[in-house]
Amino acid sequence: DAGVIQSPRHEVTEMGQEVTLRCKPISGHDYLFWYRQTMMRGLELLIYFNNNVPIDDSGMPEDRFSAKMPNASFSTLKIQPSEPRDSAVYFCASSESGGTRRTEAFFGQGTRLTVV
Amino acid sequence: LAKTTQPISMDSYEGQEVNITCSHNNIATNDYITWYQQFPSQGPRFIIQGYKTKVTNEVASLFIPADRKSSTLSLPRVSLSDTAVYYCLVGDFMNTGFQKLVFGTGTRLLVSP
Repeated sequence: DAGVIQSPRHEVTEMGQEVTLRCKPISGHDYLFWYRQTMMRGLELLIYFNNNVPIDDSGMPEDRFSAKMPNASFSTLKIQPSEPRDSAVYFCASSESGGTRRTEAFFGQGTRLTVV
Repeated sequence: LAKTTQPISMDSYEGQEVNITCSHNNIATNDYITWYQQFPSQGPRFIIQGYKTKVTNEVASLFIPADRKSSTLSLPRVSLSDTAVYYCLVGDFMNTGFQKLVFGTGTRLLVSP
């Protein structure tokens, strides 16, 4: 498996524009996480899904952020409208539940978003 | 979720053993302790996980005392490539057997020649 795939790797956009980040989790994984990382706030959990259903979106900063998972192999994180303070690296991660009781999330390479 | 406290940074030299301690005084009965490593410009990577006593794998060892209020990640004979941020996470398993991963500030380890 190629691991968690995120696109684009880099995105530069103007304030007020819509931004869509994409993630393809590892096949067979039933959990998907979206994180945001900045120097000031560290690594923040925004939302996570289980079997395509959002379980906890308490980390989503405001209504401008939305996330969807239409099927087991694809998820999007959308920011509309974008603001300069949204500039960060956004990571997607996936994992599988199971009987081993071991928790290992696999992270993508991240999308570096710059809003100017 | 139990709150964790780690040193902000640590310095070491190549070949030394590094021990990073994490405090989690409010750890719950069902909580597991997990450590992740993050290199610059990369996402975090799982290192090790444990519940009590000692766990060892090819990368590190994890020591957990009987009261479980702290844990120590031990990296034997570090190299320059071990320079990274190390995160300690504590959390319980949900019914489906998975842990909600909430990262703290981590410990920035710098290994020098």
